[in-house]
Amino acid sequence: DADVTQTPRNRITKTGKRIMLECSQTKGHDRMYWYRQDPGLGLRLIYYSFDVKDINKGEISDGYSVSRQAQAKFSLSLESAIPNQTALYFCATSDTPGQGPFIPQHFGDGTRLSIL
Amino acid sequence: QKEVEQNSGPLSVPEGAIASLNCTYSDRVSQSFFWYRQYSGKSPELIMSIYSNGDKEDGRFTAQLNKASQYVSLLIRDSQPSDSATYLCASLKAGGYQKVTFGTGTKLQVIP
Repeated sequence: DADVTQTPRNRITKTGKRIMLECSQTKGHDRMYWYRQDPGLGLRLIYYSFDVKDINKGEISDGYSVSRQAQAKFSLSLESAIPNQTALYFCATSDTPGQGPFIPQHFGDGTRLSIL
Repeated sequence: QKEVEQNSGPLSVPEGAIASLNCTYSDRVSQSFFWYRQYSGKSPELIMSIYSNGDKEDGRFTAQLNKASQYVSLLIRDSQPSDSATYLCASLKAGGYQKVTFGTGTKLQVIP
């Protein structure tokens, strides 16, 4: 089983719909991240969480919200999806003594999201 | 100007050659640098980190950092077709909000 699991892997939906992307991890890491990847723009941080009670906005949080249900679970929601949120979304984790507080170390397989 | 810039490629090298991947950054506050490998359709994988000027070697990979010139490079010796992937450079700034910035990646093709 993968250490970082994202569901769904692919999703096509319509403008205005609410969508939730889920991430669970078995690595026991405290730090979890949500990124989106767009061609020509690279990976951009949406939200990050250092523990269940610590959630922070990244550089592109508008239009998104998150929930850290447990150490192992971190969900990303699009409250009212719009076409420019079409992207590849990655969840990632890192451990505390790792490369640094904001360096994602282990990524999930990604969710390819298309908003029509 | 992008904070972290990479040539998108593709960079084509013959099998067994040295592949040299380059990355420049604009903000001198950046203190640490990271290389990720991303196979097509897959997630990024952290492969190297470098924090100080000079070279850091790990197997066939060598990361090089020159803070005066604001560039980072990744050398892959004895390139193999399995090294064909997109390589992402990332920088970490010091300070209260330690922002990580990713480049858009360089696609490497190793020709058998």
